[in-house]
Amino acid sequence: AQSVTQLDSQVPVFEEAPVELRCNYSSSVSVYLFWYVQYPNQGLQLLLKYLSGSTLVKGINGFEAEFNKSQTSFHLRKPSVHISDTAEYFCAVISGRRALTFGSGTRLQVQP
Amino acid sequence: EPEVTQTPSHQVTQMGQEVILRCVPISNHLYFYWYRQILGQKVEFLVSFYNNEISEKSEIFDDQFSVERPDGSNFTLKIRSTKLEDSAMYFCASSRTVQETQYFGPGTRLLVL
Repeated sequence: AQSVTQLDSQVPVFEEAPVELRCNYSSSVSVYLFWYVQYPNQGLQLLLKYLSGSTLVKGINGFEAEFNKSQTSFHLRKPSVHISDTAEYFCAVISGRRALTFGSGTRLQVQP
Repeated sequence: EPEVTQTPSHQVTQMGQEVILRCVPISNHLYFYWYRQILGQKVEFLVSFYNNEISEKSEIFDDQFSVERPDGSNFTLKIRSTKLEDSAMYFCASSRTVQETQYFGPGTRLLVL
């Protein structure tokens, strides 16, 4: 079985500060990992994904994530956040199953 | 840029009524999915569909749910007899292959009274 844990339900941060949103997964087989963002009253938009290759993945809007197999983590980072980054962020995994398994989400609240 | 569309954006229904949620996946995609998100909770997988049949479904997807691709463009989710606990945001998604990115629609917010 696969599962995803997002330890932080909310992350408040000031504008232009760096941020890290944590994601840990469990799976008995190799995985594909994703981060999606959900802006208020909108659907899910892909930020970035890890399928294979380089463990550091760059996505849209200046976000990046690093796949760490030994720690089963896929933390999302941005060196300097903007007010417009305020949203819900979901980590998700696909392994042997074909459907996405989502974490419970982290609400990023960027304050001026 | 092509996108997944969903209608209606909001649906209010009485308990026990049937609802049909509609989705138009991206045109060259072959895999289709429904997910739901109960308010304040995580996004949960319901069902995946490929080659005109269900390829996978979760425990949530019981006999009151069904999916259909009635024509070459639409993909529908039917809930036969809605319950209060079916109130949620329902997302449709599609992908070209099973390993490629799933693109999500904006969702249908279903409220069962």
